[in-house]
Amino acid sequence: EVQLVQSGAEVKKPGESLKISCKVSGYSFSSYWIVWVRQMPGKGLEWMGIIFPGDSDTRYSPSFQGQVTISVDKSIATAYLQWTSLKASDTAMYYCARSAGLRGWFDSWGQGTQVTVPS
Amino acid sequence: QSVLTQPPSASGTPGQRVTISCSGSASNIGSYTVNWYQQVPGTAPKLLISKNNQRPSGVPDRFSGSKSGTTASLAISGLQSEDEADYYCATWDDSLNGVFGGGTKLTVL
Repeated sequence: EVQLVQSGAEVKKPGESLKISCKVSGYSFSSYWIVWVRQMPGKGLEWMGIIFPGDSDTRYSPSFQGQVTISVDKSIATAYLQWTSLKASDTAMYYCARSAGLRGWFDSWGQGTQVTVPS
Repeated sequence: QSVLTQPPSASGTPGQRVTISCSGSASNIGSYTVNWYQQVPGTAPKLLISKNNQRPSGVPDRFSGSKSGTTASLAISGLQSEDEADYYCATWDDSLNGVFGGGTKLTVL
């Protein structure tokens, strides 16, 4: 069974750094892309970026380029999303999902990680 | 403001047929396939339709997708109360990479 299990909720202060994780199981980690999706409170889904664990090829949405970093650790089948300096506007639910290709569909999703940065 | 335009809301009574549109341009829907996701509030999204009109295993055949030019559509026939959710279209864009529509909140009256 394909599973993506995300790290737990975080409450951080503005300016702090953060790295959240998405651990996968049930398939070959290196063979599928992993996408990160943001959902701000009461708002829709936003595509942030995508990574291919096989060679770490990474693409970002222009809206998120330079704001976050996506990475993987193949040895533990885990993808990461990180910030160096959080802002209140980063408060959101973040989802990882498996993608069938760079431009593919997202067929399995993590449960989401809530990040809260009080202003 | 997404480059994919969806109506913010839609509604229908049980048993009715509802259609949700997703309008884009030549650089996204006009060039790439469209996928649809269903999100029940408080839960993670779920893949509903891939490659314009393909239903993953387990998705009822009441759900169907189509695409013509730069517009995609999701149709739900035989509407049921459990279909009440938010629906999002998604595709690739030549400039923006991946994009989602703004979402449509479906209410079953």
